[in-house]
Amino acid sequence: ETGVTQSPTHLIKTRGQQVTLRCSSQSGHNTVSWYQQALGQGPQFIFQYYREEENGRGNFPPRFSGLQFPNYSSELNVNALELDDSALYLCASSGGRVRTEAFFGQGTRLTVV
Amino acid sequence: LAKTTQPISMDSYEGQEVNITCSHNNIATNDYITWYQQFPSQGPRFIIQGYKTKVTNEVASLFIPADRKSSTLSLPRVSLSDTAVYYCLVGRLLPGNTPLVFGKGTRLSVIA
Repeated sequence: ETGVTQSPTHLIKTRGQQVTLRCSSQSGHNTVSWYQQALGQGPQFIFQYYREEENGRGNFPPRFSGLQFPNYSSELNVNALELDDSALYLCASSGGRVRTEAFFGQGTRLTVV
Repeated sequence: LAKTTQPISMDSYEGQEVNITCSHNNIATNDYITWYQQFPSQGPRFIIQGYKTKVTNEVASLFIPADRKSSTLSLPRVSLSDTAVYYCLVGRLLPGNTPLVFGKGTRLSVIA
């Protein structure tokens, strides 16, 4: 059990809609990273938040956006959903006492129809 | 960040020791090595992490030679439940943490 929780676990949305995914980081961690994992592929980095500021971004369009709150929990927002956005979305929590360790939540399975 | 190369897949029988080697020729001085295990439709699970020589925990050992250009994850006496994808990652020790970069991983199949 990592202490990183994501909600919801599954979600079905229609093309063009907007979605918000949530992540609660592990206690004591100040950094949250978001990843997209398509079927059969490794996770792809979307962006990272460190102390409420975006700290790096992968090759994803601006319709992928995020927030980190004072308690270090985080949201991933995706606007104008496309069919290719269907994937497992993962958040990773890090920045704790052992700074090099990152722990993942169980993921949110998003299906866009 | 150093790119990693690992075998696409491996097969093993139950009870055997499995060694998965990862190549990271361009690893930098500040880089550390981490291995994750992932089951279908679940988040990656942290297995082990190291910087040099040998690290052992309750589930695995990690061997890193002196030049650090490769590393080997050793799983003792695997069982069917060890069937999963294993990822080798190289990360950098920087404030705020640098993002982990995943490759395709090694798909381990354990056969009875």
